[in-house]
Formats: sequence, structure tokens, C-alpha cells
Amino acid sequence: ETGVTQTPRHLVMGMTNKKSLKCEQHLGHNAMYWYKQSAKKPLELMFVYNFKEQTENNSVPSRFSPECPNSSHLFLHLHTLQPEDSALYLCASSPGGKNTGELFFGEGSRLTVL
Amino acid sequence: AQSVSQHNHHVILSEAASLELGCNYSYGGTVNLFWYVQYPGQHLQLLLKYFSGDPLVKGIKGFEAEFIKSKFSFNLRKPSVQWSDTAEYFCAVNGGGADGLTFGKGTHLIIQP
Repeated sequence: ETGVTQTPRHLVMGMTNKKSLKCEQHLGHNAMYWYKQSAKKPLELMFVYNFKEQTENNSVPSRFSPECPNSSHLFLHLHTLQPEDSALYLCASSPGGKNTGELFFGEGSRLTVL
Repeated sequence: AQSVSQHNHHVILSEAASLELGCNYSYGGTVNLFWYVQYPGQHLQLLLKYFSGDPLVKGIKGFEAEFIKSKFSFNLRKPSVQWSDTAEYFCAVNGGGADGLTFGKGTHLIIQP
């Protein structure tokens, strides 16, 4: 039990589908993150929310759309994805504020795009 | 921009062997450094971290890492590995007040019984 819960754990979708990944943290943190983990590549930081404000968007294609309605919940909306978007998507949280500090990760959502 | 380089992508050792995994980062200012581990089928979890103070940091499960500022390095060590240490190990850095951590590509460690 990590305190960061991601659903669904596995998702298969076609290129024309719309789906969403959900992340919830029970740690009282104020910052939440989406990372992409692909084989043979470093974890790629996609989005950062600090006190519900988006502070980082690392040139992520617009087919990925984040939403952070409150400090405990983070969504990643997916639309018209490509097969190369297949990966493990990791959510993480941290206390927030000026320094990132330690990240606490969820178990990830394994996405397969057909 | 920050970057992290992990020199060994795959390491195979026998039980009781000593381990050292290399990690170098590129950032000239003050940094926070981390090692994370991902056991098969499990989430990423923190092994140890360095923010300031003693450059030799001790973590969980007998792991330690040494921050050498002049070499921009933060190598992970364990004197005697066990089969249960089989996992993927990631070095990460945060510097300059940037949001999030920058990770290396990871090292896949296999311990043979």
C-alpha cells in the first residue's frame, strides 16, 4: 500500500477511443505528477500540479490532457492516442511547495494502444 | 537542464557479491539526489536520498550511496547482495527548485542464487 492509488491498472484502447486514467493520494500531499515509463527510456515527467496549479508541461502532445480538481485527485484524459503511446503511466505525489523532495508513486496504469 | 546517466543497464551478480551501481548527473547547483527501486510487479519505492550533510547516506535493506560533488556522482553500493535484491534501480536528481525528479534509464539487476 503506497498511499497513491491508480485506476485502471490495465487499459487497452483503440486510436479513436477516449479514456481517462485516475490517481488518488491519501497522504495529504499538495503536489501530484504524471510520469511515462517506456522500455529502455528514462521515466519522462509529463505534468506537475503544485497546490492544484499546473507548473510543468514537458512538451506533451495535446492528446494527453491532465486535470487536477483538488490536491488529492489527478486525471489523465486520453484521446486519439498512437501506438507509441503504449507505456506504463505512473502517478506520484509529494508534500509540495518550493522543493520537490521525495516522490511517492502509485503502481501505475499499463496502457496499450492498438 | 538536468540529466542523469546510469552506466550499467544490466548487471548480473551472484549472491553475496558486492554491488556498486554508477550514477552521474549534470547540474551545477545544489541538488537533491535519490535512488529508487522497482521490484518485479511492484511500485517504485525510495531506497535512499541525499539532501545535505554527510555525503555517505544509508538507506533501507543495507544499501548506501556516496555523494561526490566534484565528480557529480551518487553511486549506490551494497556489500553483500541477496537474491531478493533482483530489481530495477533508478537514480534521480532534483535541482534548482525544478518541479519533479529527473530519472536515469535504470539498471536491471539480477542476482543469481
